[in-house]
Amino acid sequence: QSVLTQPPSVSGAPGQRVTISCTGSSSNIGAGYDVHWYQQLPGTAPKLLIYGNSNRPSGVPDRFSGSKSGTSASLAITGLQAEDEADYYCQSYDSSLSGNWVFGGGTKLTVL
Amino acid sequence: QITLKESGPTLVKPTQTLTLTCTFSGFSLSTSGVGVGWIRQPPGKALEWLALIYWDDDKRYSPSLKSRLTITKDTSKNQVVLTMTNMDPVDTATYYCAHQRTLGGFDYWGQGTLVTVSS
Repeated sequence: QSVLTQPPSVSGAPGQRVTISCTGSSSNIGAGYDVHWYQQLPGTAPKLLIYGNSNRPSGVPDRFSGSKSGTSASLAITGLQAEDEADYYCQSYDSSLSGNWVFGGGTKLTVL
Repeated sequence: QITLKESGPTLVKPTQTLTLTCTFSGFSLSTSGVGVGWIRQPPGKALEWLALIYWDDDKRYSPSLKSRLTITKDTSKNQVVLTMTNMDPVDTATYYCAHQRTLGGFDYWGQGTLVTVSS
């Protein structure tokens, strides 16, 4: 069981907006540690999508945005496209014995 | 341009020791703030962080696997090596190495290498 909790799956139609939540605790997100998001297309390595809670690396469309509040973080995708169908993971730092860097359990995004 | 590539055996037997090498280019592990980590992903499952080494040789390990892991670096060869002892079939996974941004997050990843543990 992951230290960071994500919904197993979300879905949306092309053009719609979807959000993926990442719920942590007072030893990770709630302690102020940054949250990073990754997109993993089938059969490929993860790609950094959002770093430092809400920053996009060069080349990532502004359809992707991140936010953080309290012990949770969210990834929002607007104008959903077929190519967005992938697995999405959140990641943060945890100061408890559960680990240093921790990933969420991942969310499968299906574009209907 | 930063690139990383994992290499090592694709098949190991239970109880054996796994040695994986990450060969990188485009950055130096002697530069302040730089880190290289290892992350694995069992087939159909989530990512799991394993270990990370910094430019100053500071090493971090997943507590659940700490007793089995060793991470080292060879700055002159631009390589990071991960060893995992006492391999078990549950360790079957794709193993990735990745460059860690100074302020966190893994921004460059290798292609990954699938390691199967089976007799």
